[in-house]
Amino acid sequence: SAVISQKPSRDICQRGTSLTIQCQVDSQVTMMFWYRQQPGQSLTLIATANQGSEATYESGFVIDKFPISRPNLTFSTLTVSNMSPEDSSIYLCSTTRGDEQFFGPGTRLTVL
Amino acid sequence: AQSVTQPDIHITVSEGASLELRCNYSYGATPYLFWYVQSPGQGLQLLLKYFSGDTLVQGIKGFEAEFKRSQSSFNLRKPSVHWSDAAEYFCAVGGGATNKLIFGTGTLLAVQP
Repeated sequence: SAVISQKPSRDICQRGTSLTIQCQVDSQVTMMFWYRQQPGQSLTLIATANQGSEATYESGFVIDKFPISRPNLTFSTLTVSNMSPEDSSIYLCSTTRGDEQFFGPGTRLTVL
Repeated sequence: AQSVTQPDIHITVSEGASLELRCNYSYGATPYLFWYVQSPGQGLQLLLKYFSGDTLVQGIKGFEAEFKRSQSSFNLRKPSVHWSDAAEYFCAVGGGATNKLIFGTGTLLAVQP
């Protein structure tokens, strides 16, 4: 299995500010994914981040709002920019190893 | 459109009773199907997966699921529920083992003594 850690585990932020979430994997991986889990809703893929290339965003998500970095094969960051209360969610990163996808513990974000 | 439906938002069962969580999918290609469990404050843990072959798959913690192509379903079952099974369960579909996943809305399982 892959061990994935995320920082911070939770945060409370003011609207209009930005928060950067870090995701660390215990070994080198090619693909990393960022998901959002809004309260009472399903997980939705935000983007796929491959090292050495720009992230690929899903419909409804844009780079200006959710810039992603992938500086090396074990690390990625997701920034939630210019936050509003609608951004209150759990944000999860994941990666694949073999035929399985593994998830981090998530970052619970509350925007006031 | 690709989608996953979990019709039951919340289910309560008694400890020791059997469990079935429903999952229906819509997918244009051969589906890869997954069940994940999310306990409070925990990340998602894979319970089982189906790629091909035997349509009845066994997973961890005594769970199993059956793929029924004719019904576009992948229901999760457990013969005897334990209190520690209380959690949220997500069904997901993807186009390949390492492709992005489409998740259902989840079923929250409560277990009563």
